[in-house]
Amino acid sequence: ETGVTQTPRHLVMGMTNKKSLKCEQHLGHNAMYWYKQSAKKPLELMFVYSLEERVENNSVPSRFSPECPNSSHLFLHLHTLQPEDSALYLCASSQAHGYTEAFFGQGTRLTVV
Amino acid sequence: DQQVKQNSPSLSVQEGRISILNCDYTNSMFDYFLWYKKYPAEGPTFLISISSIKDKNEDGRFTVFLNKSAKHLSLHIVPSQPGDSAVYFCAACSPGNQFYFGTGTSLTVIP
Repeated sequence: ETGVTQTPRHLVMGMTNKKSLKCEQHLGHNAMYWYKQSAKKPLELMFVYSLEERVENNSVPSRFSPECPNSSHLFLHLHTLQPEDSALYLCASSQAHGYTEAFFGQGTRLTVV
Repeated sequence: DQQVKQNSPSLSVQEGRISILNCDYTNSMFDYFLWYKKYPAEGPTFLISISSIKDKNEDGRFTVFLNKSAKHLSLHIVPSQPGDSAVYFCAACSPGNQFYFGTGTSLTVIP
């Protein structure tokens, strides 16, 4: 298996649920990212991890909680989400944080009901 | 405020002709730019990049042009093929900072 893998591909959750999105990269990269893509909006960077340390948190509400247990895995823990959080959540990795292109996973389509 | 803008949400081009996708940016500190391509139900894939020391970068059928004075970036695809039909995103960054993405342009290449 190669590249960046995200699970699940689709998720429907209620506003009181707790769920987690998982991302795994098999590229030996040192940086991993969570992006949110809402309809007709640009990709929004949520979190950046470089060498397992969080280096950026773009004013994301605390109901989104990232976790990076090692350089190959990244999680996004979700709790008490709102319907407006429904979006495509994309994980990406890059060789280093900064001037290198990112490789994206296929995304998790999240619907909050 | 959006720092990277793709003002054309969609573009249709006949197979074999040139596709030109445009991108404008507002931050003069941006010095590295990328184009990504996205098919439905897949994540974006990297296509081509350019740094601000260049004004053109070519890779096969894909050429990116950078006009720093106009803060404008364009992607040319020639000849266009039906398999090029996808959403194209441009992205820009400045030293030590995150990438900012545009909203994307959906390209349809008509056979």
